[in-house]
Amino acid sequence: DAGVTQSPTHLIKTRGQHVTLRCSPISGHKSVSWYQQVLGQGPQFIFQYYEKEERGRGNFPDRFSARQFPNYSSELNVNALLLGDSALYLCASSRAGALGNQPQHFGDGTRLSIL
Amino acid sequence: RKEVEQDPGPFNVPEGATVAFNCTYSNSASQSFFWYRQDCRKEPKLLMSVYSSGNEDGRFTAQLNRASQYISLLIRDSKLSDSATYLCVVNSGNTPLVFGKGTRLSVIA
Repeated sequence: DAGVTQSPTHLIKTRGQHVTLRCSPISGHKSVSWYQQVLGQGPQFIFQYYEKEERGRGNFPDRFSARQFPNYSSELNVNALLLGDSALYLCASSRAGALGNQPQHFGDGTRLSIL
Repeated sequence: RKEVEQDPGPFNVPEGATVAFNCTYSNSASQSFFWYRQDCRKEPKLLMSVYSSGNEDGRFTAQLNRASQYISLLIRDSKLSDSATYLCVVNSGNTPLVFGKGTRLSVIA
């Protein structure tokens, strides 16, 4: 079975632009979570979606938004990009909706660079 | 105080050595604990869950001390392939996973 897949793998944008990152969970997984990992830090939680509804939101500005589709894939959108948004964006999936009480399976991530 | 704290390292150890990492957490209501491994420029991968009774998986042993609010990871007979960053992860029920910054391990031939 395919693992969590993310696209694109790398992306270069300039300040002020917007970006859409995509994620397909493991087959059978209904929960998708998004994390931001800045160099030298651990992943920071951005959003969790389960059954197309937002179940959790981390401490990120409104420039960050996400959604989940009927096939459980998900998009993360970031508007008005700042230099500080440069990071590895990780998507993780799990079977159930309860946040965090089961391990997450991560995709390879999208490496976003803002110039 | 950060929710999850780890010594960033690096820990440089020779092959065959035993190495231990500790991680402390601040939320006494934390319920689930994990160790993830992350290779350079790769995604985190689950190494093992940490149970109250402690658990072992081959060369890896994880322990939880709720009274002192720390978890540990012990690696015996270190291999070159164990070189990676080890992330301590904590969850407090219906809240997202909270990751530490990670501890970097380099196993040297």
